[in-house]
Amino acid sequence: NAGVTQTPKFRVLKTGQSMTLLCAQDMNHEYMYWYRQDPGMGLRLIHYSVGEGTTAKGEVPDGYNVSRLKKQNFLLGLESAAPSQTSVYFCASSIDRVRRQAFFGQGTRLTVV
Amino acid sequence: DQQVKQNSPSLSVQEGRISILNCDYTNSMFDYFLWYKKYPAEGPTFLISISSIKDKNEDGRFTVFLNKSAKHLSLHIVPSQPGDSAVYFCAASSNTGTASKLTFGTGTRLQVTL
Repeated sequence: NAGVTQTPKFRVLKTGQSMTLLCAQDMNHEYMYWYRQDPGMGLRLIHYSVGEGTTAKGEVPDGYNVSRLKKQNFLLGLESAAPSQTSVYFCASSIDRVRRQAFFGQGTRLTVV
Repeated sequence: DQQVKQNSPSLSVQEGRISILNCDYTNSMFDYFLWYKKYPAEGPTFLISISSIKDKNEDGRFTVFLNKSAKHLSLHIVPSQPGDSAVYFCAASSNTGTASKLTFGTGTRLQVTL
């Protein structure tokens, strides 16, 4: 049982480049989330989805876009990377709004130079 | 505005003793609280949770206490083991809006020494 899988695990980007982070879950969860973790800041919600075809902004959405074309996948895009987007990104999923325990992927460490 | 606060960045406890991690929150709409444990280079893993209708929840060596009037919760680990050394995040959720999003604290690094 893979749970939540993130691709890639590491990436170095140059300022202005674009990239897409992929998150896949095999638990048939409705809700999916993208968080970023920065030193001294905890985990902050970027975007989330409450079902296939839906997306919504979280706490720090600027500079990111997301898509959820399939229930099991949630993509996070950076159109023009900036050094401020250097962070560790975590994808998570949860069953529904009642059972709120979220399951996390292993993270993607992104460095923008 | 930090709605969930973990004011102790780090904690060191001897093996076998009790570890107490604290968390405070400001949003009265939070009705569900969780603790996550995180090892380096791994994602957070769920540890234990508590609903606002309860004041205590226990799971093995882990117990979470909730004081709603003080907007405070704590995680007790008894007895502490070296494998418990990790960063612990407190998280809170409100059942409003379209999703039960989690709001996280900044984490407390627990070190259990021999």
